[in-house]
Amino acid sequence: RKEVEQDPGPFNVPEGATVAFNCTYSNSASQSFFWYRQDCRKEPKLLMSVYSSGNEDGRFTAQLNRASQYISLLIRDSKLSDSATYLCVVFYNQGGKLIFGQGTELSVKP
Amino acid sequence: GAGVSQSPRYKVAKRGQDVALRCDPISGHVSLFWYQQALGQGPEFLTYFQNEAQLDKSGLPSDRFFAERPEGSVSTLKIQRTQQEDSAVYLCASSLTGLAGGHEQYFGPGTRLTVT
Repeated sequence: RKEVEQDPGPFNVPEGATVAFNCTYSNSASQSFFWYRQDCRKEPKLLMSVYSSGNEDGRFTAQLNRASQYISLLIRDSKLSDSATYLCVVFYNQGGKLIFGQGTELSVKP
Repeated sequence: GAGVSQSPRYKVAKRGQDVALRCDPISGHVSLFWYQQALGQGPEFLTYFQNEAQLDKSGLPSDRFFAERPEGSVSTLKIQRTQQEDSAVYLCASSLTGLAGGHEQYFGPGTRLTVT
């Protein structure tokens, strides 16, 4: 079983739709949580950190449930430019490595 | 300032050849990471340096993989006797501080290695 598991994709949605990605992690010692975005054939880039209290950045809302070891990302009013792969990432303080999920591909259509 | 750079961007190697992949981190960044990303998968951790010290190499898949950062800046990932299963994108990332937790890792564009 992978340490970080994400919804299988791809998600194909129309412009303006709301889409939610889910992620679970297996190691309760995980300390920090992130969503990264990766465009086709490009490097991953940090989208947002995820805090226990939940946090919002414009159209993006991230939630963390430590008891259930569950992370989510909600995108409202989807834009064509949101099309990318979204990677759920957890961090362990042992060595500083990031553990990535396999990614969920989002395709926003006109 | 410049971001993380990697070279070459593309590498085709015949099975059994040795390859060397270079990473230039952001100037002043203490931590440097190597990840391997297979097609359709997320990046997987290979190894981590804090300055010149290799603190974690638990992700290196075999003893054919070797990484170094002798002066605490540029790093090289070397793969000996390449195999087809080594075909992947190799990503380098750097982070400002020694404790990377909670601090953003900045990724380079990657080297796409194809072993034929």
